[in-house]
Amino acid sequence: DQQVKQNSPSLSVQEGRISILNCDYTNSMFDYFLWYKKYPAEGPTFLISISSIKDKNEDGRFTVFLNKSAKHLSLHIVPSQPGDSAVYFCAASALFSGGYNKLIFGAGTRLAVHP
Amino acid sequence: KAGVTQTPRYLIKTRGQQVTLSCSPISGHRSVSWYQQTPGQGLQFLFEYFSETQRNKGNFPGRFSGRQFSNSRSEMNVSTLELGDSALYLCASSPPDRRSDTQYFGPGTRLTVL
Repeated sequence: DQQVKQNSPSLSVQEGRISILNCDYTNSMFDYFLWYKKYPAEGPTFLISISSIKDKNEDGRFTVFLNKSAKHLSLHIVPSQPGDSAVYFCAASALFSGGYNKLIFGAGTRLAVHP
Repeated sequence: KAGVTQTPRYLIKTRGQQVTLSCSPISGHRSVSWYQQTPGQGLQFLFEYFSETQRNKGNFPGRFSGRQFSNSRSEMNVSTLELGDSALYLCASSPPDRRSDTQYFGPGTRLTVL
């Protein structure tokens, strides 16, 4: 049962344009969402996050939007740069009764930004 | 601060063997999680350790086990290796907050089972 889905395995964007990566989730208990970026031969690195009490969070060129009613979030990268070419993972978190959280990751979207 | 370190970085084993992977978290982090990454499957959660106790477990067979030491270093063991165990194994640590969602990943151990 995939609770976090990234339905686009790959995305190709021209340098300078906007990249939009999408993520859907099914569990309404998720209350915190994160995006990670992963280069080959490296571990994922944290990019940006958003709490369920917000619908938008910005950090430089990166903006995450959350639509709770649709159980959908998206990551916008503007403008896209060749160095942004990587695999992007969406992750969702919920606080469990034991007082700890657990991250559920999507399958990832490979972004290619070409000149 | 030094990041999360994992050893070895690459490993080749044959079916039926066992393997132990090691992870050293960021200093001060007490939570260590392990993930398996395979193409098209994203990061599949294996288990999490906090203060030497496993407090969360994913849907993996009992061949996958782990432990955490008093210095928060963690090891993961896979017994009776199968071809399908070939993957990148990632370790992540989290700050000692009660609710900490951000995890910091190591570079991973690439395991190849022949």
